[in-house]
Amino acid sequence: RKEVEQDPGPFNVPEGATVAFNCTYSNSASQSFFWYRQDCRKEPKLLMSVYSSGNEDGRFTAQLNRASQYISLLIRDSKLSDSATYLCVVNHSNDYKLSFGAGTTVTVRA
Amino acid sequence: GAGVSQTPSNKVTEKGKYVELRCDPISGHTALYWYRQSLGQGPEFLIYFQGTGAADDSGLPNDRFFAVRPEGSVSTLKIQRTERGDSAVYLCASSKTGTDEQYFGPGTRLTVT
Repeated sequence: RKEVEQDPGPFNVPEGATVAFNCTYSNSASQSFFWYRQDCRKEPKLLMSVYSSGNEDGRFTAQLNRASQYISLLIRDSKLSDSATYLCVVNHSNDYKLSFGAGTTVTVRA
Repeated sequence: GAGVSQTPSNKVTEKGKYVELRCDPISGHTALYWYRQSLGQGPEFLIYFQGTGAADDSGLPNDRFFAVRPEGSVSTLKIQRTERGDSAVYLCASSKTGTDEQYFGPGTRLTVT
């Protein structure tokens, strides 16, 4: 079983719509969680950290459910520029070692 | 300021050849990481440097892979006797310390024919 699993999508949504997706992780001792964004043929970039209490950054909301071992990302009022692959990332021990999911592809259409 | 840079951006080599991939981290970042990303997958950890030393090389797939960072700045990932399965994007990242946000370079796309 992979450490971090994501629905690959693609999620095709119209501009202005809300889209949400989850990822699950297998190591219950995992300490920190992130969402990265990766555009086609580009490097991953940190989108946001995910905190236990849930957190919001503009149109993006991240939630963590430790009991069920999943993390979610919700994008409100989708823009064309939100089209990308979103990578779920887990750090087991608050150190350097990041475990990446395979990514969820989101395509926002006009 | 300048981000992480990697050279070459693309490398095509024949099976069995030796290749070197270079990473220039952000100035002042002591931690440096190499990852490998295959098509349709997320990056996979290869090796972590803190300063000049490899603090964790547990992700290197076999002894054909080796990386150095002799002066604690630029790092080189070396692959001997390349195989077609080595084809992937090799990403380098750096951070201020081992627990800070990692900034990725644009990657080197390696194709082994």
